[in-house]
Amino acid sequence: AQSVTQLGSHVSVSEGALVLLRCNYSSSVPPYLFWYVQYPNQGLQLLLKYTSAATLVKGINGFEAEFKKSETSFHLTKPSAHMSDAAEYFCAVTLTGTASKLTFGTGTRLQVTL
Amino acid sequence: DAGVTQSPTHLIKTRGQQVTLRCSPKSGHDTVSWYQQALGQGPQFIFQYYEEEERQRGNFPDRFSGHQFPNYSSELNVNALLLGDSALYLCASSLQGPYEQYFGPGTRLTVT
Repeated sequence: AQSVTQLGSHVSVSEGALVLLRCNYSSSVPPYLFWYVQYPNQGLQLLLKYTSAATLVKGINGFEAEFKKSETSFHLTKPSAHMSDAAEYFCAVTLTGTASKLTFGTGTRLQVTL
Repeated sequence: DAGVTQSPTHLIKTRGQQVTLRCSPKSGHDTVSWYQQALGQGPQFIFQYYEEEERQRGNFPDRFSGHQFPNYSSELNVNALLLGDSALYLCASSLQGPYEQYFGPGTRLTVT
C-alpha cells in the first residue's frame, strides 16, 4: 500500500519569497511521485513528476521538487512566489509496475500576500 | 488537441435518485480513472477502466459503477444517491501503466 502525508494544510508566503510545500510518502516499492495544482473550481493540473530518473525534478511555472529516498520526502519548492501561485497543491503517489491508481495527500492551500 | 472533457459541469439531484456522469479522454489515451473529491479533501480513487473493463477499484460501494466504450470514453453511474455523495467528480485519462494522469475540469454533484 502507498500513502502520502502533506504537512501544513495552509501555507502563507509573501510575494517574492521562497515557497516550500512538504510531502512525505510511504511505499513498499519504489514509487512514482507527482505534484498537482488545483485552482478554484477547476480540475487538477500536473506540475511535475518523479519516475526514478533524476532526483531533482523541474516542472512548470518555476516549480521543482527533490526526491530524497533516505527521508521519504518529495518537497515542492519555488524560489520566488507570485500572486498567481495561490492555489491548492496536492502530492500524489503511485507504484511502479502497476496501473496508475493515484493516492493523494490532503492538500496544502498556498496563500501569497503582498 | 482537446484535453479531458467532462459533462455536465454541474448537477443537482435528490436523495435516492440515480446519476450518470460522462468523460472523454485526452486524444491517444486508453485508460480512464474516476476520483471523488469532497470539499476540502484530496481526490479519492473510485475505479479505473482499461479495455472496457474495470481494472482497479477503490473503497467505494457497489452503488458506484462505470463503463468504458470502444472509443475509450467512460461513464460513472451512482445509484441511490446519498447526501454524502455530494462532491466534485474528476475524470482522468492516461496510458495504461504508472504514467501521469491528465484531469478534466470535473462535475460538481450536489445531492439535496
